[in-house]
Amino acid sequence: AQSVTQPDIHITVSEGASLELRCNYSYGATPYLFWYVQSPGQGLQLLLKYFSGDTLVQGIKGFEAEFKRSQSSFNLRKPSVHWSDAAEYFCAVGAPERDDKIIFGKGTRLHILP
Amino acid sequence: GAGVSQSPSNKVTEKGKDVELRCDPISGHTALYWYRQSLGQGLEFLIYFQGNSAPDKSGLPSDRFSAERTGGSVSTLTIQRTQQEDSAVYLCASSPGTVLHFGNGTRLTVT
Repeated sequence: AQSVTQPDIHITVSEGASLELRCNYSYGATPYLFWYVQSPGQGLQLLLKYFSGDTLVQGIKGFEAEFKRSQSSFNLRKPSVHWSDAAEYFCAVGAPERDDKIIFGKGTRLHILP
Repeated sequence: GAGVSQSPSNKVTEKGKDVELRCDPISGHTALYWYRQSLGQGLEFLIYFQGNSAPDKSGLPSDRFSAERTGGSVSTLTIQRTQQEDSAVYLCASSPGTVLHFGNGTRLTVT
């Protein structure tokens, strides 16, 4: 079965600094990969997704993620964070061959220093 | 509104009581998920309905938990004999394929 790991529970960066949130997955083939964001008191919103093709995907709010098969990773990046990016970020994996369920990681909470 | 609707938004119950949580998915979405969100535990998968296939119940934590989806639409998650560790936010999501659309959740507090 597929699984996903987000190694960092909390990340703190200064406003304007670059950001990288780590995500590693386990699956025997090319999975579906997602990043969702949950702002304080808000619902979950899709940032971006990877199904196939170009391994660098662009999302909303200036985020991007890169699928690296050799490292089983799908890290989320942003060149310059804003205070409004403070939120919890979830990586998720799906199994296209089996039309299987989508599994989420435990999340990374992002704190922004002014 | 065309989003996923969950009710109630908040539920406080006494230990040992049964509770029912409701999810109205987006019309036409064939897939429906239930997840549980507890502090530090991320989104814990509970159950997955896909079309007319048998549901994937592999995430249900105990036999006190059950869920059904009637007519391929509305879903109800039932927790029997609630325990304090059942306190969490229960999230429902629906999907036409792979991208999930989440409801705002039901916050369950077991006293």
